[in-house]
Amino acid sequence: AQSVTQLGSHVSVSEGALVLLRCNYSSSVPPYLFWYVQYPNQGLQLLLKYTSAATLVKGINGFEAEFKKSETSFHLTKPSAHMSDAAEYFCAVSVPSGYSTLTFGKGTMLLVSP
Amino acid sequence: SAVISQKPSRDICQRGTSLTIQCQVDSQVTMMFWYRQQPGQSLTLIATANQGSEATYESGFVIDKFPISRPNLTFSTLTVSNMSPEDSSIYLCSVEDADTGELFFGEGSRLTVL
Repeated sequence: AQSVTQLGSHVSVSEGALVLLRCNYSSSVPPYLFWYVQYPNQGLQLLLKYTSAATLVKGINGFEAEFKKSETSFHLTKPSAHMSDAAEYFCAVSVPSGYSTLTFGKGTMLLVSP
Repeated sequence: SAVISQKPSRDICQRGTSLTIQCQVDSQVTMMFWYRQQPGQSLTLIATANQGSEATYESGFVIDKFPISRPNLTFSTLTVSNMSPEDSSIYLCSVEDADTGELFFGEGSRLTVL
């Protein structure tokens, strides 16, 4: 079975500052990893995904994440936060047999102040 | 990508009643999924709904409480039966892109049970 731990239920940054959202996973087999974003009153939208190709994955809206097997981590970063980045972010893991077996973390709310 | 519409977007319900949530997709999909997002919690898969067969429920979820219909390849319903305040959650419909395996989510149905 796989699991995901997101460190910090809330992260606050100033506009223009670095965004770092932490995600650690546990999986008995090499995993697929995902970051989703949920804006208020909207469904989840895929930001980026790692599926055993390049370990540094670039997604939409300037976000990227690096798969580090030795640290079992898949942290999400963005060099410069925008006000529009304020949302809830979910890390998820699945086994390569199918995306449909996603296990989600509890989510991290990103707050961006002017 | 798939466009998913859910109804209702939100509702306030009385204890002991039942509510049916509808999920409509703009294209034919094989696999549809229902998730629950309880306040402050991660997303939890309730069941997988495939057309022409009974839904497959995850541990902790039963058909009597969450009956699901899947009459065709673009539509599904989830009923939350005999509701209690503990059922207050966001319920999300999700579909899998057959070509990429990516999951797409509806905007969710926010239920409050009094």
